[in-house]
Amino acid sequence: KQEVTQIPAALSVPEGENLVLNCSFTDSAIYNLQWFRQDPGKGLTSLLLIQSSQREQTSGRLNASLDKSSGRSTLYIAASQPGDSATYLCAGGYNNNDMRFGAGTRLTVKP
Amino acid sequence: SQTIHQWPATLVQPVGSPLSLECTVEGTSNPNLYWYRQAAGRGLQLLFYSVGIGQISSEVPQNLSASRPQDRQFILSSKKLLLSDSGFYLCAWGGQLSNEKLLFGSGTQLSVL
Repeated sequence: KQEVTQIPAALSVPEGENLVLNCSFTDSAIYNLQWFRQDPGKGLTSLLLIQSSQREQTSGRLNASLDKSSGRSTLYIAASQPGDSATYLCAGGYNNNDMRFGAGTRLTVKP
Repeated sequence: SQTIHQWPATLVQPVGSPLSLECTVEGTSNPNLYWYRQAAGRGLQLLFYSVGIGQISSEVPQNLSASRPQDRQFILSSKKLLLSDSGFYLCAWGGQLSNEKLLFGSGTQLSVL
C-alpha cells in the first residue's frame, strides 16, 4: 500500500530561522514528488516538483530533495518569513493518475 | 497560461438534497482532471479522475458521481447528500508527463446539515 507521511504535523519557528519539513513514502516506485502550499480555506499551490530521475529542485528560498532509496523527501525553507505560514503538503505520484498525499505540516512563522 | 475555475466557494445543503459542483479549465486541451476531497487535518483523497470526455474512473465507492461533458469541464454530483459528504472539495488539472505539476482550483467547502 502506498502511504505518504509528514512529520511533524505542526511546527512553529521564529522569523528568520531556516527549517526542514519531512515527507516519507512507503513505495519507492515513485513517478514524481510534489510539494504544495495550502492557505486556510484555499486550494493547493504547487511549489516544487521533482521527477524520479532528479535529486532536488530549487525555487527562491525553497529547496526540495528526493531520496528514493530511503523513501524520503525534504523541503528546506531558508530565512523563514511570517508570510510562509501555511500548511505544506507533499504528494508522491505513482503514475500520472495516482498521487498520494500526506496530511501536511502546519507551519507558523512568528514575527 | 493554464487556469482552473471552481465554484461555488462555499455551500450549505440539507441532507437528502442534490449536489452539483463545477470545474472548468482554460489554456489547455485534453487535460487529466481530478476531484479530491480533503477532510479537516487530513490529506487529500482522490475521488474521481478523467482522461477524456465521458471517461470517468472512480477510486472509492461513494455517494457521489462525476461527469465530463466537455473537454475542459468536470462536474461532481450527488442525487442525495449524506452528512458524511461534508468536506472540502478540490478540482485539479494534471498533464500527461512526469514533469507537469498538478494545478488546483480554489476549492468548495461543503457543509451538509
